[in-house]
Amino acid sequence: KQEVTQIPAALSVPEGENLVLNCSFTDSAIYNLQWFRQDPGKGLTSLLLIQSSQREQTSGRLNASLDKSSGRSTLYIAASQPGDSATYLCAVRADRDDKIIFGKGTRLHILP
Amino acid sequence: NAGVMQNPRHLVRRRGQEARLRCSPMKGHSHVYWYRQLPEEGLKFMVYLQKENIIDESGMPKERFSAEFPKEGPSILRIQQVVRGDSAAYFCASSLPGQGIYEQYFGPGTRLTVT
Repeated sequence: KQEVTQIPAALSVPEGENLVLNCSFTDSAIYNLQWFRQDPGKGLTSLLLIQSSQREQTSGRLNASLDKSSGRSTLYIAASQPGDSATYLCAVRADRDDKIIFGKGTRLHILP
Repeated sequence: NAGVMQNPRHLVRRRGQEARLRCSPMKGHSHVYWYRQLPEEGLKFMVYLQKENIIDESGMPKERFSAEFPKEGPSILRIQQVVRGDSAAYFCASSLPGQGIYEQYFGPGTRLTVT
């Protein structure tokens, strides 16, 4: 049974710092991995989607990596800003299955 | 092209009442998924539907919960005789036809509060 774990559960860093959020999954037979952002009381915003054949994706100040064999992904945020404060969710999709399995998220707080 | 729409955005029900949550998929999308986010928990898959068919309901509680996606109109998630433990955010996602292939796009969610 696929399980997704995100560490740390919460993180506070000063504005301007680079940071890394971690995600691990137990079953390496994934179709893709996706990072979402969720603001309090809001829906999900897809940030990056990495197909199983890819090793990383980049969008602006965000870079996500995927190591299927070790069951790990990282989300790197460069030059953090207060507007980056949110909960970041990691999610995997099994091999062409239709369920998305989510981690519990990392609550990120960027200190001005 | 409007995104996935859910209504209501907030719903308050007393214990024992029924809750009906609606999801209108993106234009051209015929696959709908429902997820539930309990307080301090991650999102959990509930059910996957195509038009007039339930494909996978492995995440649905066995009692009181049902879902449908009729030929015309939105998908409905119905919770009968709600209890306090049903209080959660319910998210709908939709995708293009093609099982397991296309990205799911999420709606803004319905926040259900049971008093």
